[in-house]
Amino acid sequence: DGGITQSPKYLFRKEGQNVTLSCEQNLNHDAMYWYRQDPGQGLRLIYYSQIVNDFQKGDIAEGYSVSREKKESFPLTVTSAQKNPTAFYLCASSPQGPGGTFFGQGTRLTVV
Amino acid sequence: AQSVTQLGSHVSVSEGALVLLRCNYSSSVPPYLFWYVQYPNQGLQLLLKYTTGATLVKGINGFEAEFKKSETSFHLTKPSAHMSDAAEYFCAVSPMNYGGSQGNLIFGKGTKLSVKP
Repeated sequence: DGGITQSPKYLFRKEGQNVTLSCEQNLNHDAMYWYRQDPGQGLRLIYYSQIVNDFQKGDIAEGYSVSREKKESFPLTVTSAQKNPTAFYLCASSPQGPGGTFFGQGTRLTVV
Repeated sequence: AQSVTQLGSHVSVSEGALVLLRCNYSSSVPPYLFWYVQYPNQGLQLLLKYTTGATLVKGINGFEAEFKKSETSFHLTKPSAHMSDAAEYFCAVSPMNYGGSQGNLIFGKGTKLSVKP
């Protein structure tokens, strides 16, 4: 089945540590995205990539980094510079044209 | 800048009653419009979308939405609520002419739908 796989589903991190969230898609979509979700805030765009080896900052990129070395993969690193990293992180992808954006099942990150 | 406003962070209906979730948008260009549903601790699932053509759009699970340009609205409706409809619903907008891809979505803050037996 085609889809977007995020791992792990739950992640705990100590303060001051970097952590990487995985996102893999087998939908052959060109564009991929990372959103952050906080209660009552909706979804906010962290980074997006429309093509391999290229990505752009979204609205809340500070404290995050990404890479896009392969079309299928778009990992997100939450760095120690992110002041409030506890949140639900959603990876998404979309094809060219108005096909709709598809989401993974999310990773819940908790800083302990 | 584009924005999306969802009126009502919580909506409660009785089973079998009409569901109406409101969404208004602002956009300088004709947008693509979407409704997504999210169940607890899960990702978002696309309910329906408006791109071009017919302004009344039918989606999954009996939901539909009507694009009204004059009112800049895209309200979501379902004639008869079911217990399984209890979830959070998000309205989203994307400009039609964004770099060939519509995925750079701007979301409303969501509306939690509760369904009473």
